[in-house]
Amino acid sequence: KAGVTQTPRYLIKTRGQQVTLSCSPISGHRSVSWYQQTPGQGLQFLFEYFSETQRNKGNFPGRFSGRQFSNSRSEMNVSTLELGDSALYLCASSLARTEAFFGQGTRLTVV
Amino acid sequence: GENVEQHPSTLSVQEGDSAVIKCTYSDSASNYFPWYKQELGKRPQLIIDIRSNVGEKKDQRIAVTLNKTAKHFSLHITETQPEDSAVYFCAPGNSYDKVIFGPGTSLSVIP
Repeated sequence: KAGVTQTPRYLIKTRGQQVTLSCSPISGHRSVSWYQQTPGQGLQFLFEYFSETQRNKGNFPGRFSGRQFSNSRSEMNVSTLELGDSALYLCASSLARTEAFFGQGTRLTVV
Repeated sequence: GENVEQHPSTLSVQEGDSAVIKCTYSDSASNYFPWYKQELGKRPQLIIDIRSNVGEKKDQRIAVTLNKTAKHFSLHITETQPEDSAVYFCAPGNSYDKVIFGPGTSLSVIP
């Protein structure tokens, strides 16, 4: 069974640009959650999608958005990038909100 | 919303000693209590979990104990080894709410 796949693995963007990250969950998992991880800040919850609907949203500005497709693949978008958006973005898929299976993450650097 | 804390935030032990990390939570509806391990440069992975109808669970050198009345659960690692050095996250939750991770505990095992 293939694991959670995130693309791309690394990104370098300039302030003011926008970026789209992709996450393909484990086959059969309909729940996909996104987290931002920065040094010393742990895993900050961004949002959760289930069956193409956003089920929960964390305390991030509206520049952060996401969506989920009918095949459960999810994308997150960050517009008007700021230096502080530099982080590792992790997605996790799960069945019934039990064990979360994480992707390898996308390392975003904003310069 | 759910408030999740971990203590201590950093822990340093000698190889062979035991380590205990405590997670406290606020949502009395939580019924699933997992611990994740994140090694440097890698994704978080589940190492042990417990459900609310069980007070303790053991898997070789690691164990989790739950005190639902006091709203805390703990990770116990015995006979620590250098490969146990990592950041450990708790993520108490239930099947109908988003998964929120604790702030993490950085464990260092000194050879």
